[in-house]
Amino acid sequence: QQPVQSPQAVILREGEDAVINCSSSKALYSVHWYRQKHGEAPVFLMILLKGGEQMRHEKISASFNEKKQQSSLYLTASQLSYSGTYFCGTEANTGNQFYFGTGTSLTVIP
Amino acid sequence: GAGVSQSPSNKVTEKGKDVELRCDPISGHTALYWYRQSLGQGLEFLIYFQGNSAPDKSGLPSDRFSAERTGGSVSTLTIQRTQQEDSAVYLCASSLSQGQPQHFGDGTRLSIL
Repeated sequence: QQPVQSPQAVILREGEDAVINCSSSKALYSVHWYRQKHGEAPVFLMILLKGGEQMRHEKISASFNEKKQQSSLYLTASQLSYSGTYFCGTEANTGNQFYFGTGTSLTVIP
Repeated sequence: GAGVSQSPSNKVTEKGKDVELRCDPISGHTALYWYRQSLGQGLEFLIYFQGNSAPDKSGLPSDRFSAERTGGSVSTLTIQRTQQEDSAVYLCASSLSQGQPQHFGDGTRLSIL
């Protein structure tokens, strides 16, 4: 039931773009995206709801394809501060459980 | 409080002992979640509370694990007869309601000797 993310890891140069994908086998009600830096707790980035619009926060945006049960996180003009592990989190239509994806390690280098 | 508070921040105990982990959510948050994160791994869902009720306990790894929430606020996660594989960081998160953004505590790092 754990969503699968791809890629597992990516290294970017500052200013480059990246896409992280999240795929679930369950019909989803919502998809969350979080970033976790080493030794710290995850921090919320954005949430996409079934039937909702694509979300954007500064240079980070995300989309949610309900039919394919997939979500993608788009990082534009990456900054050093973007480094960390990105997790999608999914809530199924049946509710009562929340599953985080397998994680994507993103490293931005100067 | 200003954020989610977890205690203790670190716990070292001997195999076979019982441990109790505490989570104090953000005031007014009705939803509360427990996760487990092993070193270098992702977040494993354990249990979710809406108010004081946990609709689904199937995420708990074994019957040695139990959780409760009282007064719609503080939650405790209890692990009985601890095993070495229980060693991990246990994270608690709360949100205004189900489906809303989750705010995480700093976690409890549990080490079983």
